[in-house]
Order: sequence, then structure tokens, then C-alpha cells
Amino acid sequence: NAGVTQTPKFRVLKTGQSMTLLCAQDMNHEYMYWYRQDPGMGLRLIHYSVGEGTTAKGEVPDGYNVSRLKKQNFLLGLESAAPSQTSVYFCASSFSGGEDEQFFGPGTRLTVL
Amino acid sequence: GESVGLHLPTLSVQEGDNSIINCAYSNSASDYFIWYKQESGKGPQFIIDIRSNMDKRQGQRVTVLLNKTVKHLSLQIAATQPGDSAVYFCAEESSGGGADGLTFGKGTHLIIQP
Repeated sequence: NAGVTQTPKFRVLKTGQSMTLLCAQDMNHEYMYWYRQDPGMGLRLIHYSVGEGTTAKGEVPDGYNVSRLKKQNFLLGLESAAPSQTSVYFCASSFSGGEDEQFFGPGTRLTVL
Repeated sequence: GESVGLHLPTLSVQEGDNSIINCAYSNSASDYFIWYKQESGKGPQFIIDIRSNMDKRQGQRVTVLLNKTVKHLSLQIAATQPGDSAVYFCAEESSGGGADGLTFGKGTHLIIQP
């Protein structure tokens, strides 16, 4: 099993550009999450999904959109990137919510100039 | 503000010594706590968890202690090894449950001196 994978690993954008980050998991997990991690900070939840076709807002959802068209994939979109969105983005998945262990991907380092 | 935090941003210990990483939380409704390890350039990795109805839980070389009276959580690593060098995060989940329940602290960077 590959676990949780993220594409791309690195990306540099100019302000106003758009992009989509892809997260894929092969563990048949129902729940998927997108976090951002800023220097010296813990992870903050952007959006999450409790199943195929569902999404919900987390702690810091503004400026991001997500889609869960397939159970194994969770996409994070930035429609108009801003320098404040420079961060490392982590995707995670879990079999269910609550106390089920979240498995994290390796991260995507995004720089917005 | 942060409902989960760590007392020290960096902790340096000698190889072979025991390490103690501390975490304070402010949400009395939190009923589940997790410690994660994050190595450089990688995603967080689950280490150990504890529910609020427990005071202590042991794993392989790691022990988590929970003091609900003072809202304090600690991670003890026995006989630290070079591979233990990483940033350690505590995370909590409130009794509201659900997928959005995890709140992460800022992390402590554990440095193992040879």
C-alpha cells in the first residue's frame, strides 16, 4: 500500500494564479482532511470530508475549495493564490472520524510570490 | 487562540537519556489526546494516544501521562536515540467529536546530542 500520497511535492505560484493539490489514499478510508502548517505552528484544518461527495469547512477554510468526487481522492483548490497561502499542505485520511488514527501524506510545499 | 500548546519550542537531550515533552491544553471538554512525531520533510506520524478516562498509557519506549486537574499532557521517551530527533506535536479532540475535532499544538523540536 502506498498509504497517503500528495501531488505535487513542491510548487511556486504567482499571486492570483490558481492550482489544485491532489491527495490520494489506497486504504479505503472514509474521512479525508487538508491541513496547512506554517513555520513554528501546528497543523490547522482547512477542509475535511466524511465520505465521497461530502465536504465541510475546518478552522481556516477561506481562500480554498475542495472536492471529493471519488472516495480515494481529495482535491484542494486555490482559485486566486495569495502570499498568505504560502505554507506546507498536508493531507490525511482515517477510516472514520473521532479517535481513529489519521494517516498523513508527505506534504506539498507551496510558495506564492 | 491556541487551545493546545507546548512549554518549550526546543529540547536538547543526550543520546541514551530520557526525554520529557510537555503540553498544556485549555479546553476542559477535550477527551482524547494524541502525540505525533514529525521528521524533517515528512508528514506527522502517530506515536501514542490517551483518552481522558486514563492517566497513563505506555507504548514501546514511550509513555503518555495525562493530568486533567491541571490540563497537562506529557510524552516521555526512554533511552532516546538519534532517530528520535524530530518535532513532536500534541493534539486534542473535544467531546464534540467529529472530523473537525483535532487541535494541534505548536510543536517541540527534540534534538538528540551524541
